[in-house]
Amino acid sequence: KQEVTQIPAALSVPEGENLVLNCSFTDSAIYNLQWFRQDPGKGLTSLLLIQSSQREQTSGRLNASLDKSSGRSTLYIAASQPGDSATYLCAVQVNYGGSQGNLIFGKGTKLSVKP
Amino acid sequence: DADVTQTPRNRITKTGKRIMLECSQTKGHDRMYWYRQDPGLGLRLIYYSFDVKDINKGEISDGYSVSRQAQAKFSLSLESAIPNQTALYFCATMGQAVGPQHFGDGTRLSIL
Repeated sequence: KQEVTQIPAALSVPEGENLVLNCSFTDSAIYNLQWFRQDPGKGLTSLLLIQSSQREQTSGRLNASLDKSSGRSTLYIAASQPGDSATYLCAVQVNYGGSQGNLIFGKGTKLSVKP
Repeated sequence: DADVTQTPRNRITKTGKRIMLECSQTKGHDRMYWYRQDPGLGLRLIYYSFDVKDINKGEISDGYSVSRQAQAKFSLSLESAIPNQTALYFCATMGQAVGPQHFGDGTRLSIL
């Protein structure tokens, strides 16, 4: 059974710091890995999607990497800003049986960027 | 207008009541999903549908049922609500076998 783990559960940094959020998964049979942002009480905003054949994706100050063989992904945020404060969720899209295409989520990392 | 719309946005009800949460989409996607999120936890899959005639149970389907009334509409029902079903519920759609899922804004459900 696929399991997704995110470390740390919470992170507080001063504005301007570069930071890394970690995600690990137990089964390499995935189509892709997706990073989402969730603001309190709100829905999910898709940030980056990395296909299983890719190593990384970039969008603005965000860079996500994927090492499928070791079951790891990182989300790098450069020059953090208070507006980056949110919960970041990692999810893998599975590639087996009747669950094809379903997302398995980690519990998230709650990020707080202090001014 | 939002592509994936959930109604209601908030609901407070009592134990034992029957509740329906509705999801409609304008994206033309065949695949639709219902998730729940509890504080400090990620999203967990309740039910999913690949088309109008294809309904599948997810990880935590006990106590829930669904109806796919049309390609654009997917409803989640709690037949007899209990307090531990208090959670944030999300609907999502997907246009292909794999790819990004598109989420609604969620329904916050409280059962007293």
